Amino acid sequence: EAEVAQSPRYKITEKSQAVAFWCDPISGHATLYWYRQILGQGPELLVQFQDESVVDDSQLPKDRFSAERLKGVDSTLKIQPAELGDSAMYLCASSFPGQGTEAFFGQGTRLTVV
Amino acid sequence: AQSVTQLDSHVSVSEGTPVLLRCNYSSSYSPSLFWYVQHPNKGLQLLLKYTSAATLVKGINGFEAEFKKSETSFHLTKPSAHMSDAAEYFCVVRHSGNTPLVFGKGTRLSVIA
Repeated sequence: EAEVAQSPRYKITEKSQAVAFWCDPISGHATLYWYRQILGQGPELLVQFQDESVVDDSQLPKDRFSAERLKGVDSTLKIQPAELGDSAMYLCASSFPGQGTEAFFGQGTRLTVV
Repeated sequence: AQSVTQLDSHVSVSEGTPVLLRCNYSSSYSPSLFWYVQHPNKGLQLLLKYTSAATLVKGINGFEAEFKKSETSFHLTKPSAHMSDAAEYFCVVRHSGNTPLVFGKGTRLSVIA
């Protein structure tokens, strides 16, 4: 069964350092999302791609976060510099375009900033 | 703006008794609605979805949800809880087209033996 792949699964970094997460969506899924989930809360959208184009990055803290999907397939989310408040689960999801289509989620990357 | 409200942050039931997890939504258009489940250290898994077809939607593991437009609700139910149902449940709305999924804050379901 096709899955959304994310790496690494866990990351510990010191504040002010740079960190990057990688996501490989399900083949054929044009839509890719990055969500952040703080412990005990629901996931919140950081950025949505349609192919290689950003559709929505209104909640992405652009002073320190960046995301790219250069060839419209896999994607990288970067934080520089990391802050203590960035500790969270970072989830990648992909889907076919369309209102009724569900998103498939990866296992996530658990980031701890110390 | 679209949003979704999960009315209970924690629900506790005994094994074999019914489950009811409540969700209300707001949307300017006819939304698509989803329920996802998240087990500890596992990814989010789709339970079921409503996409303007039948208002009573059946999902995996015996779960159902009913879309009630007049009440703007999409409550999740299961006739008989199993220990393996203990998890975090998220109600999710998509407003229209290819807009992002918007998550509720989640309801933690505990099942007591």
